[in-house]
Amino acid sequence: EIVMTQSPATLSVSPGERVTLSCRASQSVRGNLAWYQQKPGQTPSLLIFGAFTRDTDIPARFSGSGSGTEFTLTISGLQSEDFGVYYCQQYNNWPLTFGGGTKVEI
Amino acid sequence: QVHLVESGGGVVQPGGSLRLSCAASGFIFRSYGMHWVRQAPGKGLEWVAFIGIGGTKEFYGDSVKGRFTISRDNSRNTVYLEMNSLRAEDTAVYHCARDRGGQQLVFDYWGQGALVLVSS
Repeated sequence: EIVMTQSPATLSVSPGERVTLSCRASQSVRGNLAWYQQKPGQTPSLLIFGAFTRDTDIPARFSGSGSGTEFTLTISGLQSEDFGVYYCQQYNNWPLTFGGGTKVEI
Repeated sequence: QVHLVESGGGVVQPGGSLRLSCAASGFIFRSYGMHWVRQAPGKGLEWVAFIGIGGTKEFYGDSVKGRFTISRDNSRNTVYLEMNSLRAEDTAVYHCARDRGGQQLVFDYWGQGALVLVSS
């Protein structure tokens, strides 16, 4: 299976900062990469699919980039509601696999 | 408004069986693939299974292959997860999730989940 590795595990930031989260695949997943946000006590929400396409109603401050094995999620101007855990997920190969998550905290 | 509501969770002994159900509403169920994704307490996400729109295409995670079976009833707008030979490591909240399309393999709506606790 394709192993997804996210870094860092935890990111301590302040509102207004620019945040960069990384996700690496153990083999190429082409552009078949999605990002999710999970706030405490809530279910995950789809942010990005196809490596860079924002899902419906996702604010423009969220942007994705990358292809192959290296991907990045950038949050430009972190807002208070953006704190939580972010997961990447590859869907190029079965089984579908998630990264371990990056916790974005104050 | 899309709604996914899981049921059937509970406590089961190792080696036991359990069947989860997920009732869907607010969208044309037969037009979407469906998934089960689990999350162990305090842990990350693990994809469990996928079923295609017609119910004939199924895929499973390596850790559950041969023990779990996903199925759907399009007349009842319901997806199921039959879990056999349960192990302690299967303890998790099990979410059903809608595929963004027929088989786009990303999850755009999630249910709140059903807790499965495997313990003697």
